[in-house]
Amino acid sequence: GENVEQHPSTLSVQEGDSAVIKCTYSDSASNYFPWYKQELGKRPQLIIDIRSNVGEKKDQRIAVTLNKTAKHFSLHITETQPEDSAVYFCAAFNNAGNMLTFGGGTRLMVKP
Amino acid sequence: NAGVTQTPKFQVLKTGQSMTLQCAQDMNHEYMSWYRQDPGMGLRLIHYSVGAGITDQGEVPNGYNVSRSTTEDFPLRLLSAAPSQTSVYFCASSYSAGRVEKLFFGSGTQLSVL
Repeated sequence: GENVEQHPSTLSVQEGDSAVIKCTYSDSASNYFPWYKQELGKRPQLIIDIRSNVGEKKDQRIAVTLNKTAKHFSLHITETQPEDSAVYFCAAFNNAGNMLTFGGGTRLMVKP
Repeated sequence: NAGVTQTPKFQVLKTGQSMTLQCAQDMNHEYMSWYRQDPGMGLRLIHYSVGAGITDQGEVPNGYNVSRSTTEDFPLRLLSAAPSQTSVYFCASSYSAGRVEKLFFGSGTQLSVL
């Protein structure tokens, strides 16, 4: 089955700095890669996603890049703010198996 | 529009007890799934369903059963609770089964097994 690894597990940045979280996946048939944000005690919520036919996608301060050859994708957050503090999860979906597999999560702390 | 509703929010069980976690969605979603969340291990898929009458196993199905008799409901049954099943459980749904996109999560159930 699919295996998704996520790094780092914790990340501390100063407000205004950029944050980068990286994920690798194992199944070359995976074709959809979402990122979820989970605030403390809340449910995960989708913040951005990318499909395998696209190399990069941006939405205001967040962007995701995908390298299919290397089987890795990354989340970039620019001009970080304290409200960006949360746990971020990457995931990979293989429609042949109908399963969305999550990485282990990254706890991002933005210090004011 | 309630979205995905999970009950209960908290539950304490003794080892060996059984119980059912309820999940209902009112968005006419084809795809429904159950995840467990343990510290440092992300979200792991327990079971999923691509439509009424169809269920399949995820990454960690042992000790759990599911059924999907209607489009709206997808209960998760713990057959004989064990301390290793202490976790936060999330139900999630998505519009299309063959092309899972945005997952809508319920608010979670915190389960402790003593």
